[in-house]
Amino acid sequence: EIVMTQSPATLSVSPGERATLSCRASQNIYSNLAWYQQKPGQAPRLLIYGSSTRATGIPARFSGSGFGTEFTLTISSLQSEDFAVYYCQQYNKWPPITFGQGTRLEV
Amino acid sequence: EVQLVESGGGLVQPGGSLRLSCAVSGFTISGNYLSWVRQAPGKGLEWVSLIHIAGDTYYADSVEGRFIISRDNSKNSLYLQMSSLRGDDTAVYYCATSRGYYSPFDYWGQGALVTVAS
Repeated sequence: EIVMTQSPATLSVSPGERATLSCRASQNIYSNLAWYQQKPGQAPRLLIYGSSTRATGIPARFSGSGFGTEFTLTISSLQSEDFAVYYCQQYNKWPPITFGQGTRLEV
Repeated sequence: EVQLVESGGGLVQPGGSLRLSCAVSGFTISGNYLSWVRQAPGKGLEWVSLIHIAGDTYYADSVEGRFIISRDNSKNSLYLQMSSLRGDDTAVYYCATSRGYYSPFDYWGQGALVTVAS
């Protein structure tokens, strides 16, 4: 099983600032990594796939990077609606499909 | 517009059974992989099961032998038959779609709450 580890667990930032979230895979997953945003009471929403490709309708302030085992989600200038929980997920080798434990982005 | 709508959640006693459904509209499921992902209260996301386009099925170890995933392409729907339910199965269950083996979950339902308690 590929274990996904996200850091930090909680990130405190202010609106307008830049946020950098990290995700590490326990083995090489190439670029088969996705990021999801989840707000309270809502389903997750796909933000990034293929490590760096934004999903349809996702603003350009969201960017992803990385390859192999180290990945980063960057939000360039935080808007109020960006405060949420973010999950990474690998789909390189499954079953099982595995998620990170999440990073909570808070004010 | 793509929509996935889960139904069938509720309160069930330990050891009981429940069947979740996911009705899909806006695209044809026959060409997609379909999954169930769950989220225990206050916890992260856990993949539960996937059914391949060809009908092959895959399960998390935690539900293997207790849950059965199925699909009905004629009804554009996905199902999860859950049996021998335990307290740690309590969660919101989401259905989600992906386009292939190396694909993320691109569409999600709104979730169905399953509570296992006496």
